[in-house]
Amino acid sequence: AQKVTQAQTEISVVEKEDVTLDCVYETRDTTYYLFWYKQPPSGELVFLIRRNSFDEQNEISGRYSWNFQKSTSSFNFTITASQVVDSAVYFCALSEAIGLVGSARQLTFGSGTQLTVLP
Amino acid sequence: GAVVSQHPSRVICKSGTSVKIECRSLDFQATTMFWYRQFPKQSLMLMATSNEGSKATYEQGVEKDKFLINHASLTLSTLTVTSAHPEDSSFYICSASQTPGPDPYEQYFGPGTRLTVT
Repeated sequence: AQKVTQAQTEISVVEKEDVTLDCVYETRDTTYYLFWYKQPPSGELVFLIRRNSFDEQNEISGRYSWNFQKSTSSFNFTITASQVVDSAVYFCALSEAIGLVGSARQLTFGSGTQLTVLP
Repeated sequence: GAVVSQHPSRVICKSGTSVKIECRSLDFQATTMFWYRQFPKQSLMLMATSNEGSKATYEQGVEKDKFLINHASLTLSTLTVTSAHPEDSSFYICSASQTPGPDPYEQYFGPGTRLTVT
């Protein structure tokens, strides 16, 4: 069975601070994908990144960066110079192979981290 | 591309009535759609996997007779909450995968439907 743990329930930072959101996962598959989503108060999920299990390169996109460490089963997300608009719930999710090749995979979500960025 | 819509975005219904939520893939065909439920301040929990032309697969603990899922076409899946009760009040989110396709790991999420049962 797969599992995603986001140990930080709530984080509060002051604008311009850097913040890292932790994500630890469990899976028995060798092929899987990891995701991060942002959920603002409106509720609509915003896709941030997808990383496959064979690509451990860290990624940077503007103020966002992701650190994938297969050895520790972690996929942490860092926001640099946080802004008030970054306030949201952030979910880490895992998709592992089920069913037939080419068939859709279901996502397992972590419990989410509520990030509040104060002005 | 890859837009998923949900209708309605918000619905209030009385206890004991049924309500239908639609999930549409607007610019692609989706053999598989997923339905999630999210209670306040909680995570998304998968309710069921909906496959076009066949019966949905429900997760453990989800009553299939209460949450009826129909996936009659490659662009539309519906979730009907039958005999709704206040405890069914939640945020329902669907997602769709473009399958068969080059990327079965990609899921496109709808904007969600907030159901309130009074």
